[in-house]
Amino acid sequence: GAVVSQHPSRVICKSGTSVKIECRSLDFQATTMFWYRQFPKQSLMLMATSNEGSKATYEQGVEKDKFLINHASLTLSTLTVTSAHPEDSSFYICSAAEALRSGNTIYFGEGSWLTVV
Amino acid sequence: AQKITQTQPGMFVQEKEAVTLDCTYDTSDPSYGLFWYKQPSSGEMIFLIYQGSYDQQNATEGRYSLNFQKARKSANLVISASQLGDSAMYFCAMREGRYGGATNKLIFGTGTLLAVQP
Repeated sequence: GAVVSQHPSRVICKSGTSVKIECRSLDFQATTMFWYRQFPKQSLMLMATSNEGSKATYEQGVEKDKFLINHASLTLSTLTVTSAHPEDSSFYICSAAEALRSGNTIYFGEGSWLTVV
Repeated sequence: AQKITQTQPGMFVQEKEAVTLDCTYDTSDPSYGLFWYKQPSSGEMIFLIYQGSYDQQNATEGRYSLNFQKARKSANLVISASQLGDSAMYFCAMREGRYGGATNKLIFGTGTLLAVQP
């Protein structure tokens, strides 16, 4: 079946540096992908919609200059956390649905645990 | 206004018994989809079951069934014959609008932590 892969699964970075997280659809093309953030013991909150070949659409309250999203191909979206701070430490997870298939299965990546020290 | 509500922050169930996890939703869009995901401690989101707003029958997937009551706007998950491996966080989610493109974003409830006791 369709698979979405996310990398890295865990990353630690120093405060002030940037870190990139990749989300790949392995056997289907995805014109849109979605990035969510989940703080400990909380629900998933949508950060942005990644659109292939165009700018991402950010949810209210999400800083687009801090969370850079690039969707350069139909199988890859990247999230770059710029100038990371400890409060950015969280679980980040992406999702995608196959472009021509009905929406009854939306696939998630494995997620990425980010720790900023 | 919260669109997905899960009122049970935690639930206990005895192994081999059935358990119902509650979910209510709110939308004015006649076309929507409802999902249940399981999230173990590893963090991955495991798709369990889907119900479309126009589906006539309640969805079933193995031990999982969705009790869809459209008029009440509820989509409760029923897990039959609980197993120890079912212990995890369970999220109800909704997609508004017809499938495709940007409508594939999901709105999640706050989740229910299920603990299966031997």
